[in-house]
Amino acid sequence: DSGVTQTPKHLITATGQRVTLRCSPRSGDLSVYWYQQSLDQGLQFLIQYYNGEERAKGNILERFSAQQFPDLHSELNLSSLELGDSALYFCASSVGDGNTIYFGEGSWLTVV
Amino acid sequence: QQPVQSPQAVILREGEDAVINCSSSKALYSVHWYRQKHGEAPVFLMILLKGGEQKGHEKISASFNEKKQQSSLYLTASQLSYSGTYFCGTEGAQKLVFGQGTRLTINP
Repeated sequence: DSGVTQTPKHLITATGQRVTLRCSPRSGDLSVYWYQQSLDQGLQFLIQYYNGEERAKGNILERFSAQQFPDLHSELNLSSLELGDSALYFCASSVGDGNTIYFGEGSWLTVV
Repeated sequence: QQPVQSPQAVILREGEDAVINCSSSKALYSVHWYRQKHGEAPVFLMILLKGGEQKGHEKISASFNEKKQQSSLYLTASQLSYSGTYFCGTEGAQKLVFGQGTRLTINP
């Protein structure tokens, strides 16, 4: 158990819908990262927050947005979903740059 | 920019050694290594923060050549439990970006 909690674990939704994935970082960690992993693909960096502020952005689609709240939990919002958005979405957290990042168990999103 | 890993896949017999390489076209501030079993979360192996640094744990070790902007992961006398996909992650511009992964299969 890494200490990073993600909900929901599994989600099936229809194209065009909107979903929210939630992440609680490890106690004491200020950085939260979101990654997307499509079937048998690598980990694609989406976005990073540090202590409530956006710190770095990767190849995140405009239909996707995220935020980190004052209690440091984070949410990833995915809207106008397409079949290609089906993937495993990981949240990870760390104390800060240059430190180990710990991954949650992921949220499996299936768009039908 | 995504680091490049090689090889993409390797198949070994139990007890054999393997080397996985990770290189970047950009300056590296640190290198992170993770192993992921299918459908599970990536698990941290080690992080190298300085050029020339080498780390090891049991039969898995890694080196970081800052000048060459590359790192290598060494698996010695591989065990069945070593099977999985290995990812290197490189830090630059304040974000941690992972390579495409190297799939390691260990057969008895």
